[in-house]
Amino acid sequence: GDSVTQMEGPVTLSEEAFLTINCTYTATGYPSLFWYVQYPGEGLQLLLKATKADDKGSNKGFEATYRKETTSFHLEKGSVQVSDSAVYFCASIGGGSYIPTFGRGTSLIVHP
Amino acid sequence: NAGVTQTPKFQVLKTGQSMTLQCAQDMNHEYMSWYRQDPGMGLRLIHYSVGAGITDQGEVPNGYNVSRSTTEDFPLRLLSAAPSQTSVYFCASSSRGLAGREQYFGPGTRLTVT
Repeated sequence: GDSVTQMEGPVTLSEEAFLTINCTYTATGYPSLFWYVQYPGEGLQLLLKATKADDKGSNKGFEATYRKETTSFHLEKGSVQVSDSAVYFCASIGGGSYIPTFGRGTSLIVHP
Repeated sequence: NAGVTQTPKFQVLKTGQSMTLQCAQDMNHEYMSWYRQDPGMGLRLIHYSVGAGITDQGEVPNGYNVSRSTTEDFPLRLLSAAPSQTSVYFCASSSRGLAGREQYFGPGTRLTVT
């Protein structure tokens, strides 16, 4: 079946550091790919998405590019802030499906 | 447009009690689902529905029931609460009309079973 693997956390960075959170997927066909963010005490919310190969999703300074050749969708940000501290989930959903496949989540802690 | 709402936000139950977690969405989404989130376990799908009158089991359905009588509402019932059901529960909705079918999540219900 489909699966999403993302790097284990926590990832601990200083403010203004560069962030990468790796995500790889296995799926039949051409899934849509997502990054969701969960701030403490809240539900998940969509951060960005890409629906086809080579698409780049971006939002709030975060970016991720849908790489079909490496089945990856790595999340990057050039300069993190303390307010980016949260748990980040990578997810995929197949073309004909309603049910997403989520990674385990990666906790990001940003220190001042 | 309230999105996905969940009630209550917090609940404490004794072992053996029953209760219903409420979930509603006002976006006319066909698909609704329930997840539980436990430390180190990520999100696990409990039950889902692809439309009114249609429900199916997810990864961890035991001890939970659902029904979907309207498009808007998707309640989750705990029949006889157990300490293993202590968790944070999230409801989500989506639509085939959305590019990529992104999920909209509620704020969660934090349940403790003693």
